[in-house]
Amino acid sequence: EAGVVQSPRYKIIEKKQPVAFWCNPISGHNTLYWYLQNLGQGPELLIRYENEEAVDDSQLPKDRFSAERLKGVDSTLKIQPAELGDSAVYLCASSSQGNEQFFGPGTRLTVL
Amino acid sequence: SQKIEQNSEALNIQEGKTATLTCNYTNYSPAYLQWYRQDPGRGPVFLLLIRENEKEKRKERLKVTFDTTLKQSLFHITASQPADSATYLCSSGGYNKLIFGAGTRLAVHP
Repeated sequence: EAGVVQSPRYKIIEKKQPVAFWCNPISGHNTLYWYLQNLGQGPELLIRYENEEAVDDSQLPKDRFSAERLKGVDSTLKIQPAELGDSAVYLCASSSQGNEQFFGPGTRLTVL
Repeated sequence: SQKIEQNSEALNIQEGKTATLTCNYTNYSPAYLQWYRQDPGRGPVFLLLIRENEKEKRKERLKVTFDTTLKQSLFHITASQPADSATYLCSSGGYNKLIFGAGTRLAVHP
């Protein structure tokens, strides 16, 4: 069984540029999560989807961050415009029963 | 605010000993706690889940406890091996938003 796939693995952009991350969850997993992880810290939830509905986006900075999961399968997280403080690892995870989460390898974003 | 605290100092132990990691939560009562392992450059990997009505859970060399009075979970690795060296994350969920602790780095020395 394939795991959670994320791309790209690494991204370097100039500040004020847009950036997008893509996630393909494990087949059959209805719940999808996007997290942000800073060095030495635990993951912080940005948004959680149940199928195509965003059920918890309270921590998503909506002025510059957006996400979509149009067909309830893969998802895209976008930042526009990126700021220096957005440099971090962006993790995607999925689950089928809402408890145990399966994480992807993450996208390491560097904003210069 | 709701928070999970883990010991930020690395835990160094000798191979074969038992490693014990602590997770404390404040200002809420999670329905369950989970423990994940994270290696450098990789996403977290699920290890164990314990619910609020369970005192203890075991899986091979791993044991986790949940004390709702102390608001604490302990994570034990018995007969530790150098391959167990990693960062271990505690997280909570259920009635509240999903929260992760900052993790504790474990180093097992031969």
